[in-house]
Amino acid sequence: DTAVSQTPKYLVTQMGNDKSIKCEQNLGHDTMYWYKQDSKKFLKIMFSYNNKELIINETVPNRFSPKSPDKAHLNLHINSLELGDSAVYFCASNRGDSSYEQYFGPGTRLTVT
Amino acid sequence: GENVEQHPSTLSVQEGDSAVIKCTYSDSASNYFPWYKQELGKRPQLIIDIRSNVGEKKDQRIAVTLNKTAKHFSLHITETQPEDSAVYFCAASGKGLTFGKGITLSVRP
Repeated sequence: DTAVSQTPKYLVTQMGNDKSIKCEQNLGHDTMYWYKQDSKKFLKIMFSYNNKELIINETVPNRFSPKSPDKAHLNLHINSLELGDSAVYFCASNRGDSSYEQYFGPGTRLTVT
Repeated sequence: GENVEQHPSTLSVQEGDSAVIKCTYSDSASNYFPWYKQELGKRPQLIIDIRSNVGEKKDQRIAVTLNKTAKHFSLHITETQPEDSAVYFCAASGKGLTFGKGITLSVRP
């Protein structure tokens, strides 16, 4: 009965590789988000989708491309990985806009070597 | 865009004492202010939230106050327990949620 799930939980890869992180929510929410939490624990929004449409696209390198095949899934694809991409990536979802409680996934720890 | 500042960055209290964490925000259009608790290696989880039409909200040992004029809001935890030790984030909802930098709360037994 997991509400927001992410795979994989850990991802170790080399610089220059391309990788994807998947997120699924079974809460029936309309909106999904990707956040990046760096080594200093700072949580920063990257993207937001509402009913498969991109509504928030913060200043993120275009090597990061989100994809929402349906409103229950929001995947994150990262091209040409760099050392600075190492972080924990959290997916979240909620109903409506950002003025409602967001439910976070367990996070994906990405380590780029 | 929105900017959320959180003070202090670390806080240590004795078990049973109260803890207060303060945040300020910059965008007067923000209307939703949640607080999240994140334990080591875990996901952030909502502990309490407040909307701009309310000045104070309580839930057992936790309370949040909001001063819209001054653009600041605070988290109050009474009768702290060791399990309250975690990182606490405030956030403000404008264009998406903007988080403060987090505060590490340590409760000494």
